[in-house]
Amino acid sequence: GQQVMQIPQYQHVQEGEDFTTYCNSSTTLSNIQWYKQRPGGHPVFLIQLVKSGEVKKQKRLTFQFGEAKKNSSLHITATQTTDVGTYFCASQGRGGSNYKLTFGKGTLLTVNP
Amino acid sequence: DTEVTQTPKHLVMGMTNKKSLKCEQHMGHRAMYWYKQKAKKPPELMFVYSYEKLSINESVPSRFSPECPNSSLLNLHLHALQPEDSALYLCASSHPQVTEETQYFGPGTRLLVL
Repeated sequence: GQQVMQIPQYQHVQEGEDFTTYCNSSTTLSNIQWYKQRPGGHPVFLIQLVKSGEVKKQKRLTFQFGEAKKNSSLHITATQTTDVGTYFCASQGRGGSNYKLTFGKGTLLTVNP
Repeated sequence: DTEVTQTPKHLVMGMTNKKSLKCEQHMGHRAMYWYKQKAKKPPELMFVYSYEKLSINESVPSRFSPECPNSSLLNLHLHALQPEDSALYLCASSHPQVTEETQYFGPGTRLLVL
């Protein structure tokens, strides 16, 4: 997989506020995946984006893949305490390293009720 | 069944011990993975098995020895580990396709090396 830079590292919000995490790569990505890991838990797959400019929604979560396929974002509208956790983006290797998934450093979201 | 199971959930071992971590999936996935995750860090890939053959070894020390007995099982044999090997060890599986490869993670084994 190709390296992805993810920001911010931490984000603390009041319940009801919005939240966004960003991933950027210096090279074109074949696809990008997003995972959520609750405290003490394991990564859970949220979504995969493949197409340039793709936007996908899951209830309050909106995922975007940039036109150049070099960046992606996850936006949560009106956060809830159940949204707490670390959100990782991950890029998948091309061709011979197709199986290799490289994770960004993650954004830890905490929500104050 | 979309579950990856791992045993044990927790493991404490001494540096001279030999132990094994086990992973199982029944989703028909033919790619299986071992990851290591330290606290507050992302998962780091260790090994990939594709169709029961080792396809990626990310320069992991030989004290970690993976094994894939069949398409549903993946083991990680541990020997002479160091305290810095303490971490969450995650197993994952996926159906290897060219364009889509969602990985399903197991709950992990929390390993403490004393």
